Amino acid sequence: AQSVTQPDIHITVSEGASLELRCNYSYGATPYLFWYVQSPGQGLQLLLKYFSGDTLVQGIKGFEAEFKRSQSSFNLRKPSVHWSDAAEYFCAVGGNNDMRFGAGTRLTVKP
Amino acid sequence: EAQVTQNPRYLITVTGKKLTVTCSQNMNHEYMSWYRQDPGLGLRQIYYSMNVEVTDKGDVPEGYKVSRKEKRNFPLILESPSPNQTSLYFCASSPIPQGALIGYTFGSGTRLTVV
Repeated sequence: AQSVTQPDIHITVSEGASLELRCNYSYGATPYLFWYVQSPGQGLQLLLKYFSGDTLVQGIKGFEAEFKRSQSSFNLRKPSVHWSDAAEYFCAVGGNNDMRFGAGTRLTVKP
Repeated sequence: EAQVTQNPRYLITVTGKKLTVTCSQNMNHEYMSWYRQDPGLGLRQIYYSMNVEVTDKGDVPEGYKVSRKEKRNFPLILESPSPNQTSLYFCASSPIPQGALIGYTFGSGTRLTVV
């Protein structure tokens, strides 16, 4: 069965600094990978997804993620973080019947 | 506006008192699912439905029931709630039966407290 690990529970970055959130997955076949963002009191919003093709995928809000099969990773990046990016971020891997989520990484942005 | 609507947003109830959390989507999606979110555990799937009258268990189905009598609605029923079902619940939908392959649209969540 597929699984997802997000090694960082909480990350703090300064506004304007770059960001990388880590995600490692376990899946037997070609993975379908996703990043979601959850703002306080809100549901989850899809940031980006990877199915196949170019391993660098662009998403909404200036985010991108890179799929590295050799490392079983799908890390999320943003060159310059804005205060409004403070939220919880979830990596997920999709299978035939369900989507498995990581435990999440909470991002705090310092002024 | 295309959306998944859950009600209520907040609910406090007592142990053993049956409750239903409603979920409705207006996008004609085939796939619907319920997740619970707990700190440090991420989201775990309770039940899912790939089409009308087709439902199946997820990872944590104990204590929950669902039904899919029509495409747009997918209610979550707790026949006899217990304190360990205190959680944040999300309904999600996707256009195709294998919805987990293309991504979900989520509702805003229902925060349930069982005392």
